[in-house]
Amino acid sequence: AQTVTQSQPEMSVQEAETVTLSCTYDTSENNYYLFWYKQPPSRQMILVIRQEAYKQQNATENRFSVNFQKAAKSFSLKISDSQLGDTAMYFCAFPIQGAQKLVFGQGTRLTINP
Amino acid sequence: DSGVTQTPKHLITATGQRVTLRCSPRSGDLSVYWYQQSLDQGLQFLIQYYNGEERAKGNILERFSAQQFPDLHSELNLSSLELGDSALYFCASSVGSIPLTGELFFGEGSRLTVL
Repeated sequence: AQTVTQSQPEMSVQEAETVTLSCTYDTSENNYYLFWYKQPPSRQMILVIRQEAYKQQNATENRFSVNFQKAAKSFSLKISDSQLGDTAMYFCAFPIQGAQKLVFGQGTRLTINP
Repeated sequence: DSGVTQTPKHLITATGQRVTLRCSPRSGDLSVYWYQQSLDQGLQFLIQYYNGEERAKGNILERFSAQQFPDLHSELNLSSLELGDSALYFCASSVGSIPLTGELFFGEGSRLTVL
């Protein structure tokens, strides 16, 4: 089965701290992309960062970076210098079934405290 | 603003009723995806259309149906509604279809409450 697992339902850190959200997945695909989406209280799903599985270099977008371990099928999101606006649900996702569908994990609710 | 428009934003109806949710994709995007998000749950893939044709199907109930029109907007029809159908329904769009390499652009969702 092709699945996505986020083992941390909730996390809470202080502003300016660094936090890492974990995600593991299982796929039979060879070439694929992995995504982290953010869902703030406004409900809108916003792409945070994207990783190409065939690239060894981890993706980075400003304060957001990933630790991609292809062999371990692990795709964690690191948020540095966290800000109050980072408070949101975070979902990891990847395509399955010949990349026809994007499957999402159950999400991690991240709270940044002042 | 993602460029994806969903209407209505909120909808309250009774069990047994039928509703239609509407989605206009980003300009230039040919693919439309529908997802269901129940309370504090992840997103469940329902169905995908590409340029008017159904391309992928998820765990969509037989009471639900969708279509994509020639102008590329899409509608999700939910019938014989049950309490458990209460959820946030997202539409997303992308330029391509298969393989999925680019991001999905999401609308703000339609909140359906079935009483």
